Amino acid sequence: SQQGEEDPQALSIQEGENATMNCSYKTSINNLQWYRQNSGRGLVHLILIRSNEREKHSGRLRVTLDTSKKSSSLLITASRAADTASYFCAHPRETSYDKVIFGPGTSLSVIP
Amino acid sequence: DVKVTQSSRYLVKRTGEKVFLECVQDMDHENMFWYRQDPGLGLRLIYFSYDVKMKEKGDIPEGYSVSREKKERFSLILESASTNQTSMYLCASRPTQGIWTQHFGDGTRLSIL
Repeated sequence: SQQGEEDPQALSIQEGENATMNCSYKTSINNLQWYRQNSGRGLVHLILIRSNEREKHSGRLRVTLDTSKKSSSLLITASRAADTASYFCAHPRETSYDKVIFGPGTSLSVIP
Repeated sequence: DVKVTQSSRYLVKRTGEKVFLECVQDMDHENMFWYRQDPGLGLRLIYFSYDVKMKEKGDIPEGYSVSREKKERFSLILESASTNQTSMYLCASRPTQGIWTQHFGDGTRLSIL
């Protein structure tokens, strides 16, 4: 299986704290994406980081990529109750860049 | 704004029925995808279409077929529904060129009784 892993599987924090989610993958990639899914809804793209980038920011989101370790992390700063959702990393398949592999996701609960 | 619309949010069908799930996108994207999402298993690709009438099997195509007669519409067909096909089904689209990100519909939660 080309699917990597995300950890933790579940994370519960207080509002205002930072949340960090990690993603590992197994193959060579040219980009890695993070998505968010609210309960019962579809996935929404958050941020894409290319393989030649080490860090990228978007608002309260910070994504890092370490291609030598085949890992990425998503940091959400100053979390809000509205950040409660599942977060998935995804990357193109090595054999077919048209298709992506999604990680199993991290379920984040932000307690008001 | 980009929009992917799945015809039903919730659907209940019986074992053995032929089930159609419809997905429409308004972005003129060439690529469209059908996934199923199950707890602990994440998103698994069922079928992929890269153009009208063109399709490729994904990781779990057994028991499913697809139809893409028009660029904006991608249908998933459960030929003879079984209880193990109870799941959340997600449709997505993306263009061939440029941005790699996929745009998702809100999903169809399908129950097979």
